[in-house]
Amino acid sequence: AQSVTQLDSQVPVFEEAPVELRCNYSSSVSVYLFWYVQYPNQGLQLLLKYLSGSTLVKGINGFEAEFNKSQTSFHLRKPSVHISDTAEYFCAVSDRNTDKLIFGTGTRLQVFP
Amino acid sequence: DAGVTQSPTHLIKTRGQQVTLRCSPKSGHDTVSWYQQALGQGPQFIFQYYEEEERQRGNFPDRFSGHQFPNYSSELNVNALLLGDSALYLCASSPGTTGNTIYFGEGSWLTVV
Repeated sequence: AQSVTQLDSQVPVFEEAPVELRCNYSSSVSVYLFWYVQYPNQGLQLLLKYLSGSTLVKGINGFEAEFNKSQTSFHLRKPSVHISDTAEYFCAVSDRNTDKLIFGTGTRLQVFP
Repeated sequence: DAGVTQSPTHLIKTRGQQVTLRCSPKSGHDTVSWYQQALGQGPQFIFQYYEEEERQRGNFPDRFSGHQFPNYSSELNVNALLLGDSALYLCASSPGTTGNTIYFGEGSWLTVV
């Protein structure tokens, strides 16, 4: 079985500052890793995913994440945030035999002017 | 190309009633999954349908059932509604092989009173 822990429930940050949203996972098998964003009253949109290969993954809207197998982490980063990045961010895992996603509890990113 | 579409977007039901939610997957996708997202929580996997069969199921009671039609669209049925069933119900579709992007609809907001 897999599980995901998002260490911060809320992250406040000023516009143009860098941000890191932390995600740790637990699994006895190899997994795929994902970050999704949810804007208010909307569904989930994929930011990026790690399947294999390079551990640094680049996604949409200037986000990137680094897979660290030894620390079982997949932290999301952006060097300079915008007001429009204010949203809920979810880290998720799936094992390699299924499309079933296990989500963390989410991190609320609040960007202030 | 339309993405994942869900209906209705909002509905209110009374305890003990039954509800049916509908989902049309993204064009070319044959696998449909349903998730429940309670307020302030991450989405929880309910079940997945492929080739009109339930392929996987999460930890949800038998009151939650589903169906997939030959055109790959799907329904989620919940019987004997409880107040705790109030949530956003998300439909997700994928092309069936693992590692591909899973697309989510905007969800159906269910309020049980």
